[in-house]
Amino acid sequence: NAGVMQNPRHLVRRRGQEARLRCSPMKGHSHVYWYRQLPEEGLKFMVYLQKENIIDESGMPKERFSAEFPKEGPSILRIQQVVRGDSAAYFCASSPPGRGAFNEKLFFGSGTQLSVL
Amino acid sequence: DAKTTQPNSMESNEEEPVHLPCNHSTISGTDYIHWYRQLPSQGPEYVIHGLTSNVNNRMASLAIAEDRKSSTLILHRATLRDAAVYYCILTRGTSYGKLTFGQGTILTVHP
Repeated sequence: NAGVMQNPRHLVRRRGQEARLRCSPMKGHSHVYWYRQLPEEGLKFMVYLQKENIIDESGMPKERFSAEFPKEGPSILRIQQVVRGDSAAYFCASSPPGRGAFNEKLFFGSGTQLSVL
Repeated sequence: DAKTTQPNSMESNEEEPVHLPCNHSTISGTDYIHWYRQLPSQGPEYVIHGLTSNVNNRMASLAIAEDRKSSTLILHRATLRDAAVYYCILTRGTSYGKLTFGQGTILTVHP
């Protein structure tokens, strides 16, 4: 049973370009999360998606960032017109659905390290 | 968000037990206590979680105080591969994995 797969592992973009980060959840998981870890900072929740639905995007910057989890294929985190401040490690996680207070495990991928030149 | 307090860093010797403390004095009755760790250049990894009773798995044990205001993650025999940042997290009021990671405890394991 493959774990959460993220690609690319490293992504280099110049300012103003677009970055697309992909995430395939664990088999059987329909809940996907994106987290960001800025240099020397902690992990921050960005967005929570289920198939074809964004459930909670409270941690997403209002501009330039978008996420999707289509019916078929991986989840995509898209950053338009990247700036140097977007340089960070972006982690995807998946879980089975929870009931009541969250009592499940989150399985994280190895992350995509985005570097903006 | 429910706040947890952990020491910034701890050190241990290989093959010795490690007790990582976490204070969560504002915990509510339905909050689960989760522990994750992050090895260098990797994504976080689930370690253990519990509600009221102590929990054991192949990685670690979780000891929860009777009043639930604190807990301790126990690594029974530390190895060099256990060197990581350990995060104690409460899942409050949410039915999904929106976790609030603090600064965690940096565990250094000496050979």
